[in-house]
Amino acid sequence: AQSVTQLDSQVPVFEEAPVELRCNYSSSVSVYLFWYVQYPNQGLQLLLKYLSGSTLVESINGFEAEFNKSQTSFHLRKPSVHISDTAEYFCAVSAPTTNAGGTSYGKLTFGQGTILTVHP
Amino acid sequence: DGGITQSPKYLFRKEGQNVTLSCEQNLNHDAMYWYRQDPGQGLRLIYYSQIVNDFQKGDIAEGYSVSREKKESFPLTVTSAQKNPTAFYLCASSWTPYNEQFFGPGTRLTVL
Repeated sequence: AQSVTQLDSQVPVFEEAPVELRCNYSSSVSVYLFWYVQYPNQGLQLLLKYLSGSTLVESINGFEAEFNKSQTSFHLRKPSVHISDTAEYFCAVSAPTTNAGGTSYGKLTFGQGTILTVHP
Repeated sequence: DGGITQSPKYLFRKEGQNVTLSCEQNLNHDAMYWYRQDPGQGLRLIYYSQIVNDFQKGDIAEGYSVSREKKESFPLTVTSAQKNPTAFYLCASSWTPYNEQFFGPGTRLTVL
């Protein structure tokens, strides 16, 4: 079964500093990868996704993530954070499974989350 | 506006009572999901459904039940058998299991 590990449960950082939230997954085959953001007492919102093509994907609010197949990682980065980026971030992966019917991609597996706190 | 709605936002129940959480989507998605979220434990899958009239248990299905009679609706019942039901419950939907999931705003259930 696939698994996702977010290496840091909490990341404190000062405003305008760079940040990296780390995510590793267990599958050795092609996967689909996602980052979600959750603000307090709200549902999750999709931040960005990797399905295929360029290994560097970007979101509209300055975050980017790079798919690294050899290291099975999909770390999330932002060069300069704002107070408003304070939230919990979840990495998720969908990996293929093969059965009698062929190969299909399974439902998403989520990491445990990383709480990003941006201090003034 | 397309999206997922969950109601109510806050729910209180007495111990020993069953309670049903509503989840409706107008995105025409085939797949729907229920998650439970507790502090520091991420999202845990309770049940999911890939098509109408079909659903599967997730990782923590004990004490919960669901139905999928309509494509747009996937209600979750928290039964009295659920030992520790106080939590934040999230509903989600997607086109297929491997596509990105769209989430509702959540229901916070508190057992008194």
